[in-house]
Amino acid sequence: GAVVSQHPSWVICKSGTSVKIECRSLDFQATTMFWYRQFPKQSLMLMATSNEGSKATYEQGVEKDKFLINHASLTLSTLTVTSAHPEDSSFYICSARDLGGPYNEQFFGPGTRLTVL
Amino acid sequence: DAKTTQPNSMESNEEEPVHLPCNHSTISGTDYIHWYRQLPSQGPEYVIHGLTSNVNNRMASLAIAEDRKSSTLILHRATLRDAAVYYCILRREYGNKLVFGAGTILRVKS
Repeated sequence: GAVVSQHPSWVICKSGTSVKIECRSLDFQATTMFWYRQFPKQSLMLMATSNEGSKATYEQGVEKDKFLINHASLTLSTLTVTSAHPEDSSFYICSARDLGGPYNEQFFGPGTRLTVL
Repeated sequence: DAKTTQPNSMESNEEEPVHLPCNHSTISGTDYIHWYRQLPSQGPEYVIHGLTSNVNNRMASLAIAEDRKSSTLILHRATLRDAAVYYCILRREYGNKLVFGAGTILRVKS
């Protein structure tokens, strides 16, 4: 299947700083990428849908000014957690749709674990 | 998107088949049934999907009820590496997003 990478795989930061997480589709072009967040022992929660060249669509309850999403190319989307606080500590997972595939399938990255001190 | 219902957890012995059920009584005609699994500290991994007919691939089989209101993911011989959370998700054909439910925690005993 198609490969989606994330960088970094883990990050520790101080409260009040901003953190950027990159999501790349390595062997396919993705006009649409998704960002999820997962707290311990919980399921994935969709945060936003990122479309190349346009503004992201955020799910209800997700602060768009806090979680900045940029999808500047067909293979790269970034999530920036601005002014991070301990409650933002979570596992962030991106996903990309392979429009070139037969089933419009969605592939997931390995996740980024964010710890805010 | 229509909702799915799965058991919270299941247990299996290694080398034995596992049947993971999923109920989706409000499924619509254009909803595909997707299964993903998530190993600890990893992103979800695609397992299989189908619409009406049963499906087989190298990882698993998907059995879909005739009325499509339920489906079963079949792992033919469970291994310790199959221990994961399994998610059954409905998505419209060429639908926009996957919405995850609670999933089933599969434990495999050696």
